Amino acid sequence: AQSVTQLGSHVSVSEGALVLLRCNYSSSVPPYLFWYVQYPNQGLQLLLKYTSAATLVKGINGFEAEFKKSETSFHLTKPSAHMRDAAEYFCAVSVRGATNKLIFGTGTLLAVQP
Amino acid sequence: KAGVTQTPRYLIKTRGQQVTLSCSPISGHRSVSWYQQTPGQGLQFLFEYFSETQRNKGNFPGRFSGRQFSNSRSEMNVSTLELGDSALYLCASSLDQQETQYFGPGTRLLVL
Repeated sequence: AQSVTQLGSHVSVSEGALVLLRCNYSSSVPPYLFWYVQYPNQGLQLLLKYTSAATLVKGINGFEAEFKKSETSFHLTKPSAHMRDAAEYFCAVSVRGATNKLIFGTGTLLAVQP
Repeated sequence: KAGVTQTPRYLIKTRGQQVTLSCSPISGHRSVSWYQQTPGQGLQFLFEYFSETQRNKGNFPGRFSGRQFSNSRSEMNVSTLELGDSALYLCASSLDQQETQYFGPGTRLLVL
């Protein structure tokens, strides 16, 4: 069975500082991995996804994530935080095959201090 | 292209009532999935439809049901509402399986 663990339900960084949001997955087969962002009172927006091409995946808004099979991790990073990055971030895994079912982590709320 | 739309955006019901939520996918998308988001349980998969057929179902009671129409629009129904059904219900659409899913803004349901 697939699962996702996000370490840290709340992360606070200063504007301009590095953003690092942690995600570890469990999957018995090679997974697809995703990072989504949710702004208040909105749905989910895809930041990036890993589908076994390159292990370093670049997404929108300057975010990127690296797939590390040996560590079963897919951490999200951004070199310099902006105030507009304040939102909740979700890591998700899906099973390869005839399904679009996503299994989400519990989310990390990112606060950006001026 | 217009994004995924969900109606209504907000809904207040009382226990025991039933509710129907609607989702219009992005034009051309044939797959629609539904998720429930609550503070306690997070984001949980409800079900997935593709070409009018339910392809996958999450671990929810039978009070939760859904369907998809020939134009790919989807509805979900919750009967005999309980307080715990208060949640944000999100719909996502994609071209096909294993394709990127695009989420709508959600319907926020409050059960009193």
